[in-house]
Amino acid sequence: DQQVKQNSPSLSVQEGRISILNCDYTNSMFDYFLWYKKYPAEGPTFLISISSIKDKNEDGRFTVFLNKSAKHLSLHIVPSQPGDSAVYFCAVGIYNQGGKLIFGQGTELSVKP
Amino acid sequence: NAGVMQNPRHLVRRRGQEARLRCSPMKGHSHVYWYRQLPEEGLKFMVYLQKENIIDESGMPKERFSAEFPKEGPSILRIQQVVRGDSAAYFCASSPLGAPGQEQYFGPGTRLTVT
Repeated sequence: DQQVKQNSPSLSVQEGRISILNCDYTNSMFDYFLWYKKYPAEGPTFLISISSIKDKNEDGRFTVFLNKSAKHLSLHIVPSQPGDSAVYFCAVGIYNQGGKLIFGQGTELSVKP
Repeated sequence: NAGVMQNPRHLVRRRGQEARLRCSPMKGHSHVYWYRQLPEEGLKFMVYLQKENIIDESGMPKERFSAEFPKEGPSILRIQQVVRGDSAAYFCASSPLGAPGQEQYFGPGTRLTVT
């Protein structure tokens, strides 16, 4: 029973354009949400997060959007750069359950020059 | 400030042997999490520990797996009598507080191969 789904295993985008990565979750009790980036043979690197009291959080080229009614999370990268090519994981958690995170399966982003 | 360190980076074990994976959290971090990533899958939570305490082990298999985080030294994930299905990448993460919503910092992982 997959509680967090990233339905696109891969995404290819031209350099300079927008990359949109999507994530759906099933449990309305999840109340904080994170995106991690992962290169091969390395651990995930934290990118950006959002709590359920907000619907948008922006950090430079990265913006995370949260639609609680649809149980949908997205990450926008604009403009995309070749160095953004990596696997992106969304992760969710519940505040009163400590730091346990539930991850999606990941989306491999390829940004072409 | 060194990041989260894991060793070994690669570990090969024969079926039935024991595997010990070590994790040193970032300096000042007293909360450690272990995750496992099977091929083509996302990371799956295994266990959350503070110094000398297991806080949440809801993701740990009931048998053969154990974890500790002693007062001194690294956190250890121990797998007894390994089987082929244990082959995976095991990641450790740490955070300074157990504060919900606080980002976790991940180590490079240990890739376990069971032959």
